[in-house]
Amino acid sequence: DAGVIQSPRHEVTEMGQEVTLRCKPISGHNSLFWYRQTMMRGLELLIYFNNNVPIDDSGMPEDRFSAKMPNASFSTLKIQPSEPRDSAVYFCAIGTGSVTQYFGPGTRLLVL
Amino acid sequence: KNQVEQSPQSLIILEGKNCTLQCNYTVSPFSNLRWYKQDTGRGPVSLTIMTFSENTKSNGRYTATLDADTKQSSLHITASQLSDSASYICPPATDSWGKLQFGAGTQVVVTP
Repeated sequence: DAGVIQSPRHEVTEMGQEVTLRCKPISGHNSLFWYRQTMMRGLELLIYFNNNVPIDDSGMPEDRFSAKMPNASFSTLKIQPSEPRDSAVYFCAIGTGSVTQYFGPGTRLLVL
Repeated sequence: KNQVEQSPQSLIILEGKNCTLQCNYTVSPFSNLRWYKQDTGRGPVSLTIMTFSENTKSNGRYTATLDADTKQSSLHITASQLSDSASYICPPATDSWGKLQFGAGTQVVVTP
């Protein structure tokens, strides 16, 4: 996971608050992916970008979720307002075309 | 509907023994299939990536097979080590950017 920096690593917030998760990939990868992982549902793809453009956001659960990639070295995933069912580990991953994806360490989110 | 089924759900093996994990997928279109290892509390790490034309691929003690006709893959772990204890997932990619479809994974526990 050295190629992807995610922050914060842990986040505890109260229901209704806005949460922003950050991802800083190393350069040289065209695609960036946001995933969510829970015990019940496993890993789920939320959205992915190619060359900073959103390609598929069909996995974004609700309008409360939004993601941006203003440049090749930064992306955010925002939840507003947050709900307890959003509690999960959120991963950012990078890749180029059909080569493997490199996952970040994840952000553990707990919404009370 | 795109689906990935992995078996067994969990597996306990003695250190030094071999084991084989199974992965059946029903996705369309199909680009390639990956095997990832995920240690507890960390992001998935790639073991192999196989295209439809590749039947076997090895990475150290890990050997993956792929039968694109029957849409089945397997991961064989040789001479298991304690560090092999992890969850193993086999997502196929369904587009050229690397959109992955996940199953529930197989939890492997290697005991001394």
